[in-house]
Amino acid sequence: DAGITQSPRHKVTETGTPVTLRCHQTENHRYMYWYRQDPGHGLRLIHYSYGVKDTDKGEVSDGYSVSRSKTEDFLLTLESATSSQTSVYFCAISDRQNTGELFFGEGSRLTVL
Amino acid sequence: GENVEQHPSTLSVQEGDSAVIKCTYSDSASNYFPWYKQELGKRPQLIIDIRSNVGEKKDQRIAVTLNKTAKHFSLHITETQPEDSAVYFCAASLIGYGNNRLAFGKGNQVVVIP
Repeated sequence: DAGITQSPRHKVTETGTPVTLRCHQTENHRYMYWYRQDPGHGLRLIHYSYGVKDTDKGEVSDGYSVSRSKTEDFLLTLESATSSQTSVYFCAISDRQNTGELFFGEGSRLTVL
Repeated sequence: GENVEQHPSTLSVQEGDSAVIKCTYSDSASNYFPWYKQELGKRPQLIIDIRSNVGEKKDQRIAVTLNKTAKHFSLHITETQPEDSAVYFCAASLIGYGNNRLAFGKGNQVVVIP
């Protein structure tokens, strides 16, 4: 498996609290992504990064921000969590110049009460 | 942006039979079409992909076909086995031209009945 880890793997929080999910890779891949997975909606792109300090929005970016200060880390922040952000979040990495394949992390299950 | 749709949403097959999942995409410029398999509680993993310059690709019991004119592609699984039970996601993207976004379909639940 590609060297990609997510933390925390599980988190329960209350509405209105800030939450940060971390994605760490050891593959030195340029591209990193955050997806959320919800029943009936598949995998939806939140934000992605194409280099250090280079990020762009995905299709469901409202309420989320990201940062990438180092090649290996991509942080997803929910400034003020809402119940609609209860989901499973997957980080993915890619060396798109060669294959286009995405390697996913194990996922982070977030519950907002 | 690209929009990918999958049909059917759930597919039940008898063990040993074939399963076919179809996807349509909207952006004629897309040139890369992967399929991901996600077992229960696991991460999605790439099982096969195809580029737009190829009409069909096979890997053991799985194959993918692409019809660029109709803008659809399909996953074929032959001689299905219980371990093929999973959710399968198709996706489409334009790679190599600065566009780095992979658009996924909503997924198909495949259930192989022993």
